[in-house]
Amino acid sequence: GQQVMQIPQYQHVQEGEDFTTYCNSSTTLSNIQWYKQRPGGHPVFLIQLVKSGEVKKQKRLTFQFGEAKKNSSLHITATQTTDVGTYFCAWSPYLLEYGNKLVFGAGTILRVKS
Amino acid sequence: DGGITQSPKYLFRKEGQNVTLSCEQNLNHDAMYWYRQDPGQGLRLIYYSQIVNDFQKGDIAEGYSVSREKKESFPLTVTSAQKNPTAFYLCASSIRQGARMDQPQHFGDGTRLSIL
Repeated sequence: GQQVMQIPQYQHVQEGEDFTTYCNSSTTLSNIQWYKQRPGGHPVFLIQLVKSGEVKKQKRLTFQFGEAKKNSSLHITATQTTDVGTYFCAWSPYLLEYGNKLVFGAGTILRVKS
Repeated sequence: DGGITQSPKYLFRKEGQNVTLSCEQNLNHDAMYWYRQDPGQGLRLIYYSQIVNDFQKGDIAEGYSVSREKKESFPLTVTSAQKNPTAFYLCASSIRQGARMDQPQHFGDGTRLSIL
């Protein structure tokens, strides 16, 4: 079956440093979504990537989808304490008529030292 | 404000007891989902429902049951057959699927279930 690894599992950075989390798949993904979950909170949708080589930016966050659509990354420039949380990638093994059956990566926990 | 409401926020289960977690949405979404999250781990799909009166098992359905009698509601019952129910349970919903495009899922605040 489709295997997707999310790395690193955990990262502790100094405020102002950059941070990157990666999702790597053994097979081609149709698209990928990214979610953020604050400590004690629920996942919140950040972005969806669909096209090969796609790059999207949201302020200090940069999302990339690889040319082969087998990997994706989320990069945060100059981290702030508000960036603390767990970042998940998620993908659909197949599409449904009315919804989407997402599979979530294990997540990367980000801690920021001020 | 539209959103997803889960209740209760905290729930305790005794041995041999069934408990039901509530999930209500006023987003007019067709699809609804239940996930289980264990500490430090990702989300695992328990059940999902694409439309009213229809639902399918996810990856870890054993020991759980659901119903979808109304579009707005998708309650989850954790039965006594679920031997390790302690976890954070998240309900989500999404709009009808567009052509070849996944839609984002919107989550409730979750219910933390523990065994007494």
